[in-house]
Amino acid sequence: NAGVMQNPRHLVRRRGQEARLRCSPMKGHSHVYWYRQLPEEGLKFMVYLQKENIIDESGMPKERFSAEFPKEGPSILRIQQVVRGDSAAYFCASSPSRPATSTDTQYFGPGTRLTVL
Amino acid sequence: QKEVEQDPGPLSVPEGAIVSLNCTYSNSAFQYFMWYRQYSRKGPELLMYTYSSGNKEDGRFTAQVDKSSKYISLFIRDSQPSDSATYLCAMTNPTGGFKTIFGAGTRLFVKA
Repeated sequence: NAGVMQNPRHLVRRRGQEARLRCSPMKGHSHVYWYRQLPEEGLKFMVYLQKENIIDESGMPKERFSAEFPKEGPSILRIQQVVRGDSAAYFCASSPSRPATSTDTQYFGPGTRLTVL
Repeated sequence: QKEVEQDPGPLSVPEGAIVSLNCTYSNSAFQYFMWYRQYSRKGPELLMYTYSSGNKEDGRFTAQVDKSSKYISLFIRDSQPSDSATYLCAMTNPTGGFKTIFGAGTRLFVKA
């Protein structure tokens, strides 16, 4: 049973370019979460999605960042016009149901490390 | 004030020692409490999951939640060098949406 998959594992972009990060949840999981982790800091929530719906994007910066989880295919976190401050590890997690209402919790992928030159 | 406070360490102990990791929090609405282990350059993996107050034991790991003090702990018995990692506490408020709040993580080194 494959876990949460993320690709690419490492991504290098120059300032002003776009970054696309992909996340395939575990089989049977329909809830996806994106987090950002800066060095020496904990995980910061960005967005929570279900298939074709954004449930909570309160952690997303207002500009340049967007996320989707289409009916078919992986969830995508898109960062437009990247800046050096976007350099971080971005983790995706999935769960079979909404964790706050059940004992199911989130399982994390290996992360994508974004470096902006 | 952060919602969840966790000492970043590092914490260095000899092999075989009992390790105590702790977090404090400010939001009394948190009901679900988790501990994750994260090895360097890897994703977090769930270690322990507790609902509300009390203790939970799993092998060498024991999680404690004291809601009256807003304090949670993870104890590791007979620590091993393979336990060297960053340990993140996390908690969820079921009435405040799904959002899970993480501590900054404590770096643990277990010396052989």
